Amino acid sequence: EAQVTQNPRYLITVTGKKLTVTCSQNMNHEYMSWYRQDPGLGLRQIYYSMNVEVTDKGDVPEGYKVSRKEKRNFPLILESPSPNQTSLYFCASSSVWVNTEAFFGQGTRLTVV
Amino acid sequence: KQEVTQIPAALSVPEGENLVLNCSFTDSAIYNLQWFRQDPGKGLTSLLLIQSSQREQTSGRLNASLDKSSGRSTLYIAASQPGDSATYLCAVISGGSAGKSTFGDGTTLTVKP
Repeated sequence: EAQVTQNPRYLITVTGKKLTVTCSQNMNHEYMSWYRQDPGLGLRQIYYSMNVEVTDKGDVPEGYKVSRKEKRNFPLILESPSPNQTSLYFCASSSVWVNTEAFFGQGTRLTVV
Repeated sequence: KQEVTQIPAALSVPEGENLVLNCSFTDSAIYNLQWFRQDPGKGLTSLLLIQSSQREQTSGRLNASLDKSSGRSTLYIAASQPGDSATYLCAVISGGSAGKSTFGDGTTLTVKP
């Protein structure tokens, strides 16, 4: 089944403790992206990747890192999480960056205390 | 900077009614516009994608139109059903920002039996 898989689905952590949210897709897609969704602010793009070893900042990249060492995986790294990073995070992929349908993961609800 | 607005924020209709959801964007130089559905606690599901050269797309009871010059798109849902209850979001990929996507805040639709 074609899908985008995020792990974990839920995470509660403490301020400053490094964490990684994984994202994997099985569709051989070139394009992958991370978003955060907050009430009143909608979905905002954090980072995106056009292909392996190619990443770029979205609208809200501060406090996040990403890497794209292989096509299927696009992990989101929070080196020193803060409470303002409490949010619902989504990973998405599409065949290429334009004019192709986007597939979303189920989301990761992160709480930083 | 591209801004995407969806009006209304919430809509409640009786079952069987035809309805229109609106999406407007400030920068008309877009590559494509995509409509998504989001169910509570779930990820986004792509409904329709309209390329910049297209005027509309149809899938079953859904029809999406695009007027680039006026910066508007509409999603028409025919003969609404309770199962259509969800939040509907539109997103654009803008020219000059390869790979970047901008989402609206969504319209939450409730279809009453």
